[in-house]
Amino acid sequence: DGGITQSPKYLFRKEGQNVTLSCEQNLNHDAMYWYRQDPGQGLRLIYYSQIVNDFQKGDIAEGYSVSREKKESFPLTVTSAQKNPTAFYLCASSAGQGAYEQYFGPGTRLTVT
Amino acid sequence: GQQVMQIPQYQHVQEGEDFTTYCNSSTTLSNIQWYKQRPGGHPVFLIQLVKSGEVKKQKRLTFQFGEAKKNSSLHITATQTTDVGTYFCAAGTSYGKLTFGQGTILTVHP
Repeated sequence: DGGITQSPKYLFRKEGQNVTLSCEQNLNHDAMYWYRQDPGQGLRLIYYSQIVNDFQKGDIAEGYSVSREKKESFPLTVTSAQKNPTAFYLCASSAGQGAYEQYFGPGTRLTVT
Repeated sequence: GQQVMQIPQYQHVQEGEDFTTYCNSSTTLSNIQWYKQRPGGHPVFLIQLVKSGEVKKQKRLTFQFGEAKKNSSLHITATQTTDVGTYFCAAGTSYGKLTFGQGTILTVHP
């Protein structure tokens, strides 16, 4: 069954802790993306990767870090430097560069108190 | 960076009424994609428009791309309760990055 998985669905952390969100895809897609969704603000791009071992900052990369050591995996770390980390985080992938549709995972809702 | 404005932010309709959401950019777009997100779910791709003036239909949904490739619209004819959700436009670049509009939240009253 092909698709994108994100775990966990809900995540709770204390302020000051780093937390890593998982994203795995078995679609053999080259490109992967991380978005943050807040009410009324649509989806904002955090980081994206078009190929293994390479990634670029999106529009709101401050306080986040990523790695892309394997084609299938693109984990996102929310660091303690992120001032407002509570949000819904969505991972997506696409077949490659250019005008390809993006496939989204189910998302992780992170709450930091 | 590229900005895409989407209106309205909210739309409440009675079942059977039509619905339209609009997406506008100040710059020429290479393509535009539309996504639907059901409440509590994740965005799902609906369609992509690439050509100037392009019109595509999917059952009751009609998608248009403006002649100048700076605006797009999604029109739903005779809404149903299954149409409930948030509709996003997303402006594409040649290297795959998407810029999403703020979305239009559609509620349908039976």
